[in-house]
Amino acid sequence: QVQLVQSGAEMKKPGSSVKVSCKTSGGPFDSSSISWVRQAPGHGLEWIGGITPLTGTTTYAQKFQDRVTLTADESTSTAYMELSTLRSDDTAAYYCARDWGASGCDKWGQGTLVTVSS
Amino acid sequence: DIQMTQSPSSLSASIGDRVSITCRASQTVTHYLNWYQQKPGQAPILLIYGASSLQSGVPSRFSGSGSGTDFTLTISSLQPEDLATYYCQQSYSTQYTFGQGTKLEIK
Repeated sequence: QVQLVQSGAEMKKPGSSVKVSCKTSGGPFDSSSISWVRQAPGHGLEWIGGITPLTGTTTYAQKFQDRVTLTADESTSTAYMELSTLRSDDTAAYYCARDWGASGCDKWGQGTLVTVSS
Repeated sequence: DIQMTQSPSSLSASIGDRVSITCRASQTVTHYLNWYQQKPGQAPILLIYGASSLQSGVPSRFSGSGSGTDFTLTISSLQPEDLATYYCQQSYSTQYTFGQGTKLEIK
């Protein structure tokens, strides 16, 4: 059974950076992409970007283009999302998901709560 | 970016009712439309992919239809466990976008 397990909750100051990890187990890591999605409290889902671990190819939502970096380590089957220059409105649950493109995101991590506060 | 608009934003229905949620894209997404269910405090679950294909393990009371710009998610007979927020998502563009969500409440 494929599982995506994310790193724990983070408390950050405005202007700092956060790096969230997402480890895949129980299945191949490099046969699909990994998408990152966030959800601010009381709000809907927002796609941040995606990475294809096999090729390292990344795609970012225009809104996050200048502040987000997605990476993947095939040796540990772990994907990472780093968001810089944090603001209070970056407070959200951040999810990773196994992304099959046209077939949707079929497995999701448990979410990582990032709180940005001075 | 392709904008996805869902209607209604919220919906109240009784157990056993047939429920439909619509999703409209600002431009064609052909059949690259997915539906997710999210219960409070949980990660989303994929229900429908490719506009009409039922994800493995999802109850058959869920179905999807549509193509181009207009899509519908239908629950044929509402069950108590269907209390959730439902989101559409387009994967036609490399810049994925989600609808704003439809909150389904049980009367």
